[in-house]
Amino acid sequence: GAVVSQHPSRVICKSGTSVKIECRSLDFQATTMFWYRQFPKQSLMLMATSNEGSKATYEQGVEKDKFLINHASLTLSTLTVTSAHPEDSSFYICSARQPTVHTEAFFGQGTRLTVV
Amino acid sequence: QKEVEQDPGPLSVPEGAIVSLNCTYSNSAFQYFMWYRQYSRKGPELLMYTYSSGNKEDGRFTAQVDKSSKYISLFIRDSQPSDSATYLCAMSPTGNQFYFGTGTSLTVIP
Repeated sequence: GAVVSQHPSRVICKSGTSVKIECRSLDFQATTMFWYRQFPKQSLMLMATSNEGSKATYEQGVEKDKFLINHASLTLSTLTVTSAHPEDSSFYICSARQPTVHTEAFFGQGTRLTVV
Repeated sequence: QKEVEQDPGPLSVPEGAIVSLNCTYSNSAFQYFMWYRQYSRKGPELLMYTYSSGNKEDGRFTAQVDKSSKYISLFIRDSQPSDSATYLCAMSPTGNQFYFGTGTSLTVIP
């Protein structure tokens, strides 16, 4: 199947700093990428939908100024957590969808963010 | 009421057992149904995908969708310790926005 690479897999940062997470589709062009957040023993919560070349669509309750999403190319989307706080500590996962197989989304490995 | 309900478990079975995982949903517009497997600290990987009602089989895995009851199932035959993971159901009305269950934690005991 298609490969989606997410980097870094784990990051620890100090409170108040910003962290950038990258999501790359390695063998296909992804016009749409999704960013999720997952708390322990809870479901994936969709944060935003990222479309190449346009502004991301954020879900209700997600602060767009805090979670900056950039989808500058067909193979790369980035999520920047700005001025991170301990409550932002979570597992962040991206997924990408092949344009011709719109129902099959492939997930990255996830990023474990810990804000201390 | 959540869009998708899934028993979080944990579920523990002996090796070789048949495992039944289930999800219920409330939105009758859902047409696309998926099962993902997620190992600890990893992203989910797609196991099965079904459109509308019916059954689909892939090796030891069988997915069933009953739209009249708003109920989907994943069966794992001859379960193996390597099947130990969290299983997430997901569904979508159009294939654009996905709604996930909370996941069921499964442990297969050798």
